[in-house]
Amino acid sequence: EDKVVQSPLSLVVHEGDTVTLNCSYEVTNFRSLLWYKQEKKAPTFLFMLTSSGIEKKSGRLSSILDKKELFSILNITATQTGDSAIYLCAWFGNEKLTFGTGTRLTIIP
Amino acid sequence: DGGITQSPKYLFRKEGQNVTLSCEQNLNHDAMYWYRQDPGQGLRLIYYSQIVNDFQKGDIAEGYSVSREKKESFPLTVTSAQKNPTAFYLCASRKPERTSYGYTFGSGTRLTVV
Repeated sequence: EDKVVQSPLSLVVHEGDTVTLNCSYEVTNFRSLLWYKQEKKAPTFLFMLTSSGIEKKSGRLSSILDKKELFSILNITATQTGDSAIYLCAWFGNEKLTFGTGTRLTIIP
Repeated sequence: DGGITQSPKYLFRKEGQNVTLSCEQNLNHDAMYWYRQDPGQGLRLIYYSQIVNDFQKGDIAEGYSVSREKKESFPLTVTSAQKNPTAFYLCASRKPERTSYGYTFGSGTRLTVV
């Protein structure tokens, strides 16, 4: 059975800290892994990863995929209160996105 | 502007009643999806449709039904057979070309069954 597991489920840190969110997967017909940020309603796209070992960066956020060990990490440096959200990992295969359980990140001022 | 419209944003229903959630897109996307989200959890796939007049069950289809009579529309009916219907429902669509990040999400419908 295909599965995507995110850890930790919840994380509380102080503003300015660096966080690492984890996503491991065991799926068939893997095509890509995606990260989303969800604040109130619709998830917003962060990264899509298809190749192993190539880091994607956007400002303070970065992500990398390891296709051999079947995991991905999302790093956020110098966290701000606006980073508080649920971060969702999803794999794309078989013409659909399948999501993990998400990590709820809370940044304390 | 193109996008996905879900309506209504909030919906209240009595237990035992069927309810239909609307999802309309003007993006000319072929594929459309319905997800359910419970508090503190990720999104779980209910149904999806790759093309008009065709749809497939997702991971949690029991108690739900869909139709895809038009490319623009993919309504979801929550039937009385769904044991725990109270949740946040998200509709999404995807570009026709084979790019997995080409997903667009609606703003969701929060259904509360009392």
